Amino acid sequence: EAQVTQNPRYLITVTGKKLTVTCSQNMNHEYMSWYRQDPGLGLRQIYYSMNVEVTDKGDVPEGYKVSRKEKRNFPLILESPSPNQTSLYFCASSSRSTPNQPQHFGDGTRLSIL
Amino acid sequence: GENVEQHPSTLSVQEGDSAVIKCTYSDSASNYFPWYKQELGKGPQLIIDIRSNVGEKKDQRIAVTLNKTAKHFSLHITETQPEDSAVYFCAASTERFGAGTRLTVKP
Repeated sequence: EAQVTQNPRYLITVTGKKLTVTCSQNMNHEYMSWYRQDPGLGLRQIYYSMNVEVTDKGDVPEGYKVSRKEKRNFPLILESPSPNQTSLYFCASSSRSTPNQPQHFGDGTRLSIL
Repeated sequence: GENVEQHPSTLSVQEGDSAVIKCTYSDSASNYFPWYKQELGKGPQLIIDIRSNVGEKKDQRIAVTLNKTAKHFSLHITETQPEDSAVYFCAASTERFGAGTRLTVKP
């Protein structure tokens, strides 16, 4: 089954404690991205990756890091989380072999930073 | 960069009625307009999309219209059912999303 898998689904942690949210896709997609979803603001892009070892900032990259060492994985790293990063996070992937393809989303990771 | 505005933010309809959600965008170069449905506890899922060489597309009870001159596009759901209740997002290009519309269909 084609899917994007995020882990963990829920996490409560404290300010300053480094955390990583993993994302994996099994569709051999070139493009992967991370979004955060906040009430009234919709989905805002944090970082994206066009392919292995190619990453770039989205609209709200401050406080986040990513890496793309393998095509299937795109982890999101919060090195020193702060309460304003409490949010619902989504990883997504899409094919870039043809233009204008929809994104496939994971089921989300709800992060609470105390 | 691209700016997408979506209205209304909430919409409540009776079962069987139609629902319309509207979006406007700013970048005239945008040429791909997907719509996603997000159910509780899930990620957004594509329900329909339209490309700029087409003015309208229909899939059963769902249709999307695009007016490139006015830079707006709309989602139309006819004969709504309770299972249509969800949050709907429009997007212009692959990555730029509207703020979402929470649709409630009352039985």
